[in-house]
Amino acid sequence: AIQMTQSPSSLSASVGDRIIITCRASQGIRNDLAWYHQGPGKAPKLLIYGTSNLQSGVPSRFSGSGSGTDFTLTISSLQPEDFGTYYCLQDFTYPRTFGQGTKVGIK
Amino acid sequence: EVQLVESGGGLVQPGGSLRLSCAASGFTFNIYWMTWVRQGPGKGLEWVANLKGDGSVEHYLDSVKGRFTISRDNAKNLFYLQMNSLRAEDTAVYYCARDQDYSINENWYDANDIWGPGTMVTVSS
Repeated sequence: AIQMTQSPSSLSASVGDRIIITCRASQGIRNDLAWYHQGPGKAPKLLIYGTSNLQSGVPSRFSGSGSGTDFTLTISSLQPEDFGTYYCLQDFTYPRTFGQGTKVGIK
Repeated sequence: EVQLVESGGGLVQPGGSLRLSCAASGFTFNIYWMTWVRQGPGKGLEWVANLKGDGSVEHYLDSVKGRFTISRDNAKNLFYLQMNSLRAEDTAVYYCARDQDYSINENWYDANDIWGPGTMVTVSS
């Protein structure tokens, strides 16, 4: 199975900060990568699909980039509702695999 | 309103069985692949299995192959996960999710765009 490794595992940030989360695949996955956000006690929510395409209704402060094995999620100006855990997921092959998650906390 | 709601979770002994259900509403259920994802206590998300809209193709996580079976009833808009030979490590919140296909510049991607709130499965004696 393809292994997805996120970094950092956690970070502390303030409202208004720009943050970057990276996701690395153990082998090439083209652009077949999605990003999800999970608030505490809630179901995950889709943010980005196909590496860089914003899901309908997701604010433009979120953006994604990358290709092959290295990907990034950027939040240009962190808002209070953005705290929680972020996961990448490869949809290149089966079984699908998630990164281990990046927990974004309040500084 | 597009919605998914899981049910059927609970406490079961190791080696036991449980069937989870996911009720779908607000969309044409039979054209979508559907997925189960789980999350152990304090852990990250883990993809479990998915099933094509007509029920003809399925995929599983290696650790559940031969123990879990995915199925659906398109007449009732229901999606199932039959879990047998349960182990302590299967303890998790189980989410069902819809697989949405996206076409961008002749490339196809899929992602889970709708999720249920989850149902808790605890495997313990």
